[in-house]
Amino acid sequence: VQLSESGGGLAQPGGSLRLSCAASGFTFRNYAMSWVRQAPGKGLEWVSSINGAGDSTFSADSLKGRFTISRDNSENTLFLQINTLRAEDTGVYYCAKRGHQLLYGAFDIWGRGTAVAVSS
Amino acid sequence: EIVLTQSPGTLSLSPGARATLSCRASQSVTSSYLAWYQLKPGQAPRLLIYAASSRATGVPDRFSGSGSGPGFTLTISRLEPEDFAVYYCQYFGSSGYTFGQGTKLEI
Repeated sequence: VQLSESGGGLAQPGGSLRLSCAASGFTFRNYAMSWVRQAPGKGLEWVSSINGAGDSTFSADSLKGRFTISRDNSENTLFLQINTLRAEDTGVYYCAKRGHQLLYGAFDIWGRGTAVAVSS
Repeated sequence: EIVLTQSPGTLSLSPGARATLSCRASQSVTSSYLAWYQLKPGQAPRLLIYAASSRATGVPDRFSGSGSGPGFTLTISRLEPEDFAVYYCQYFGSSGYTFGQGTKLEI
């Protein structure tokens, strides 16, 4: 079971980035997925989640509007589109798999993250 | 919105010692939705405890969770060198997920 993020890098303020998370080792479409980020020197911050079918999403109130989560179950891939990038979006972005029902929403598998740096 | 407050911010202990980390919610919460994670630099975060007191697969039994809304505890009975890391509590509520600010466990 593995998650591998990609798509991070240096981006300009006001620009856009699309992060990807490739999943393997489990039936991707059966599990809700999430993005969590960590700014430098800060703690973990939940960004957004999507259900297994991809037809229901929810996001942190403070981040609504610029972040869009989506998934392609045929490609076992999770995405995060970030628009109008700000310096405070700098950090490591992790994708995480929600565990089975008995885990009550906890994330049982995480990727190693992809680093995003927003700077001119 | 539920706020999770972890204490202490930093905990300095020696290998072999017992570590007690606290996570307090700003209001009463359902313990079933409280989890603990371990984070080391450059590594994927690791689920340790879910439903406040259930160990995740492969987690050594020196890790234990306890408590009920609003106060929860993660205990590491005898610290191993690999346990020095940052620990986060997390709650899954109607508004989504909330993390505490973390406790750094250092040697």
